[in-house]
Amino acid sequence: DARVTQTPRHKVTEMGQEVTMRCQPILGHNTVFWYRQTMMQGLELLAYFRNRAPLDDSGMPKDRFSAEMPDATLATLKIQPSEPRDSAVYFCASGFFMDRGDSYEQYFGPGTRLTVT
Amino acid sequence: AQSVTQLGSHVSVSEGALVLLRCNYSSSVPPYLFWYVQYPNQGLQLLLKYTTGATLVKGINGFEAEFKKSETSFHLTKPSAHMSDAAEYFCAVSGGPTGFQKLVFGTGTRLLVSP
Repeated sequence: DARVTQTPRHKVTEMGQEVTMRCQPILGHNTVFWYRQTMMQGLELLAYFRNRAPLDDSGMPKDRFSAEMPDATLATLKIQPSEPRDSAVYFCASGFFMDRGDSYEQYFGPGTRLTVT
Repeated sequence: AQSVTQLGSHVSVSEGALVLLRCNYSSSVPPYLFWYVQYPNQGLQLLLKYTTGATLVKGINGFEAEFKKSETSFHLTKPSAHMSDAAEYFCAVSGGPTGFQKLVFGTGTRLLVSP
């Protein structure tokens, strides 16, 4: 049963600290997404990658957030420095997308619940 | 730009009653439409999707949705609610200049099921 995995599941940190969230996409998927979920804003797309290359990070605050895919099995989302307003659940999702014939489905991980005090 | 409107942040039904969750979309191109379900403290799980072809699509757990272009709607239904259906449901749309991989989500509808 292939799943997207995310670590850590929960993170509590103090304002100003660096936070790194990790995601392992489903093997064979070529597209990885990072979302943020809050009560106020709902689900927001932060960034996504195709074949490890960033395609769109327009939803991400550039000054403090960064997303990378060091290899095909690992995606990271970093916040430095963290702020209380970054408190949210961060989801990673993966899927296989090509111009034609793909399923258009995204498979979500369980999320990382971040609390910044 | 594409958008999704989900009418009703909360919907309450009794066990065994019909479930109807409403979703209207806005898209300048033929949309791809999705319903996802989120159980507490979990990620989103795909219930069903419409891409092309038959406008009535069936998903997991007895849910189905009908794409109605004239009404720009994609409402989710289930004939008989179970207690286990209590969750948050998200409608999403993709397509257009941003491509089919970029989903735009609605604000979600929390389904409450009472005995």
